[in-house]
Amino acid sequence: SQKIEQNSEALNIQEGKTATLTCNYTNYSPAYLQWYRQDPGRGPVFLLLIRENEKEKRKERLKVTFDTTLKQSLFHITASQPADSATYLCAIMGTGNQFYFGTGTSLTVIP
Amino acid sequence: KAGVTQTPRYLIKTRGQQVTLSCSPISGHRSVSWYQQTPGQGLQFLFEYFSETQRNKGNFPGRFSGRQFSNSRSEMNVSTLELGDSALYLCASSPGLAGTLRDIQYFGAGTRLSVL
Repeated sequence: SQKIEQNSEALNIQEGKTATLTCNYTNYSPAYLQWYRQDPGRGPVFLLLIRENEKEKRKERLKVTFDTTLKQSLFHITASQPADSATYLCAIMGTGNQFYFGTGTSLTVIP
Repeated sequence: KAGVTQTPRYLIKTRGQQVTLSCSPISGHRSVSWYQQTPGQGLQFLFEYFSETQRNKGNFPGRFSGRQFSNSRSEMNVSTLELGDSALYLCASSPGLAGTLRDIQYFGAGTRLSVL
């Protein structure tokens, strides 16, 4: 079955450092992969979409890479700020045209 | 543009009861998807409606059902509630048109359902 794993449940980093989150998937070859941010008590918010033919995508302090050979996406937040503290989810569209989400990584940026 | 609105925000029910949750999508969006989020299982897809028809369905029992109205508003119903149905239920809308941008999900704040 299709599976998405995010490398760690929780990640703590110092303000100003770069946070790197990992998303690994199995048993599928997605045409694209998405990243979302979720704050407590809120629904996820779309951040970035990267297509299979794109190696890297940037948006302000965010950078996403997509390695279809490794079946992995990396999500980077540079110059992290306490306001970046949230849970980050990756998602792919799998069999049956339904989205599969990772369980998320909870990021805490320490001032 | 107003975002996705879900009502109610919180709900407490007892086992065996049924519940109906409501979702109003972003204006112009024709696709509405429902998800269940729990600490153990994460975010899981329930079903998607597009133009009043169920277009995709996840792996949930028949106790979970939904519908979509002509104005794209959607409802989700859970019958014969079980303790394990306690979760955050999220609704997401998208334009639903062809292309990768069709699949960006715009989520509501969710309905927190507690089954006692």
